[in-house]
Amino acid sequence: GENVEQHPSTLSVQEGDSAVIKCTYSDSASNYFPWYKQELGKRPQLIIDIRSNVGEKKDQRIAVTLNKTAKHFSLHITETQPEDSAVYFCAGQRAGSYQLTFGKGTKLSVIP
Amino acid sequence: DTGVSQDPRHKITKRGQNVTFRCDPISEHNRLYWYRQTLGQGPEFLTYFQNEAQLEKSRLLSDRFSAERPKGSFSTLEIQRTEQGDSAMYLCAIPRGEGRYEQYFGPGTRLTVT
Repeated sequence: GENVEQHPSTLSVQEGDSAVIKCTYSDSASNYFPWYKQELGKRPQLIIDIRSNVGEKKDQRIAVTLNKTAKHFSLHITETQPEDSAVYFCAGQRAGSYQLTFGKGTKLSVIP
Repeated sequence: DTGVSQDPRHKITKRGQNVTFRCDPISEHNRLYWYRQTLGQGPEFLTYFQNEAQLEKSRLLSDRFSAERPKGSFSTLEIQRTEQGDSAMYLCAIPRGEGRYEQYFGPGTRLTVT
């Protein structure tokens, strides 16, 4: 089955700096890759996603890139703000399945 | 608000007891998913329904777990003979958005087995 690895597990950045979180996946048949943000005690919230037919997608300060050949995808947050502090999870979904396989998460701390 | 409610929000039970959780989408969705999230980990897929039919089941879903979606609307997840390792957040998710790939989580039911 699919295996998704995520790193780093923790990341601290100064407010205004950029943050990058990287994930790799094992199943070349995977074609959908969402990113979730989870604040303490709350549900994971979908913040951006990408499908395998595109290489990059951007939404305001967040962007996701996908390299199908290398089987890795990344989340980029620019101009970080304290409210970006949370745990971020990447996930992969195999074509033909609706099962999401999640990474172990990255705890992002934005220092004011 | 992602358009799905879960009940109860918290459940404390003693080892060996049975528990049942409910997931209620506000509007009709043909697909419904269950995940489990333990502390410090990402959500883990449990099962998925297409209308009333349970189409995918994870190996995590042991014979003590059963899920139903009798009318293709709400869903229940039952755990029999609970164990301390069952302590987790149980999340229900529904599809939304243009492509229907997206999965949006409900608030979850936090289970504590003592």
